[in-house]
Amino acid sequence: AQKVTQAQTEISVVEKEDVTLDCVYETRDTTYYLFWYKQPPSGELVFLIRRNSFDEQNEISGRYSWNFQKSTSSFNFTITASQVVDSAVYFCALSEITQGGSEKLVFGKGMKLTVNP
Amino acid sequence: GAGVSQTPSNKVTEKGKYVELRCDPISGHTALYWYRQSLGQGPEFLIYFQGTGAADDSGLPNDRFFAVRPEGSVSTLKIQRTERGDSAVYLCASSLDSSYNEQFFGPGTRLTVL
Repeated sequence: AQKVTQAQTEISVVEKEDVTLDCVYETRDTTYYLFWYKQPPSGELVFLIRRNSFDEQNEISGRYSWNFQKSTSSFNFTITASQVVDSAVYFCALSEITQGGSEKLVFGKGMKLTVNP
Repeated sequence: GAGVSQTPSNKVTEKGKYVELRCDPISGHTALYWYRQSLGQGPEFLIYFQGTGAADDSGLPNDRFFAVRPEGSVSTLKIQRTERGDSAVYLCASSLDSSYNEQFFGPGTRLTVL
């Protein structure tokens, strides 16, 4: 079965520090997608990125960057020069094809990031 | 445009009662998902609709849980004979279709069973 592990449960940093959130996944599928979502205190899950299993290029979006390594089944997320507004719970997720051919997301337990001023 | 909306935002009920939770997906999205998020955990899949039909209900914990989407848009998650262990945030998500598209999540309904 699919599994996503976010080993870190909570991290606290000071503003402007860089922080990396780890994600390790398990799957038997050859085609799959990996995701990161942000859940701020308001509770709504905010989509950050989707990456397919055939594209191992790293991606950068502003202060955010993602490192996908198939060899280690990892999809790590780095926030550069963190800001207080980055404080949230971050979830890594893996798509899984279900019975009937649909897609569902399998989430990790999340990692709570606190950025202090 | 409007995102996924869910009502009510909070629901407090007593053990044994029946509750209905509503999800209004993004217009034009054919795929709709329900997830449940317990405190300190990631969301867990409950059920998936493609159009009006439940294509996958393998995540529903037992037969007290049921969901419908009669016209292929709004969906209702129904829980009978609620138990304290049902207390969680129930999240709804929709996507354009089921083919690895981004799922957009609603704000959730926080259910508390006393």
